[in-house]
Amino acid sequence: QSALTQPASVSGSPGQSITISCTGTSSDVGGYNYVSWYQQHPGKAPKLMIYDVSKRPSGVSNRFSGFKSGNTASLTISGLQAEDEADYYCCSYAGSSIWVFGGGTKLTVL
Amino acid sequence: QVQLQESGPGLVKPSQTLSLTCTVSGGSISSGNYYWSWIRQPAGKGLEWIGRIYTSGSTNYNPSLKSRVTISVDTSKNQFSLKLSSVTAADTAVYYCARGDRFDPWGQGTLVTVSS
Repeated sequence: QSALTQPASVSGSPGQSITISCTGTSSDVGGYNYVSWYQQHPGKAPKLMIYDVSKRPSGVSNRFSGFKSGNTASLTISGLQAEDEADYYCCSYAGSSIWVFGGGTKLTVL
Repeated sequence: QVQLQESGPGLVKPSQTLSLTCTVSGGSISSGNYYWSWIRQPAGKGLEWIGRIYTSGSTNYNPSLKSRVTISVDTSKNQFSLKLSSVTAADTAVYYCARGDRFDPWGQGTLVTVSS
């Protein structure tokens, strides 16, 4: 299983919206509705932001949303805030009880 | 709420076995029908799923690590453990434990360095 493909970096200004893509194959992202997204601030553990493609855990801002089309999943953050600056990772079920992560995307809030 | 805490040696010699334990607090490891996973992150790099265990003892491993990984559970101690054999410098990473297929929550992570 190869890592899912994410852009190395994205940026946006406060108040704007950004979208991070996560591209896999029909054997992982495209084959199952089990894509999750994690936010990781420097030196901290990852935090679940989205699961099952588009569901938000309790306590996560509704500024975060997830979507999937074919083999590509995406995370959109609207109304960017300084505190959103972090690394973001996608993860997908890949069949046979295996999970695969993306390479991560560094979000910079300008 | 449930919290996870990794523990174990921070330094392991090459060719030896890395051993870590994840202690679950705030709830029973046996409740909720959860899998319990290990995930690692080399410095400055992305996350890698290592494997998981169910409280029945059923395990699944990343194929790239399967030959070297063993995950076990001790429900009496509310803990699950990771053993990674024949380690090299490439196994140097922060190791996390996490709950369920959503990987939520995570432990704070523990840095393991492989060096002589």
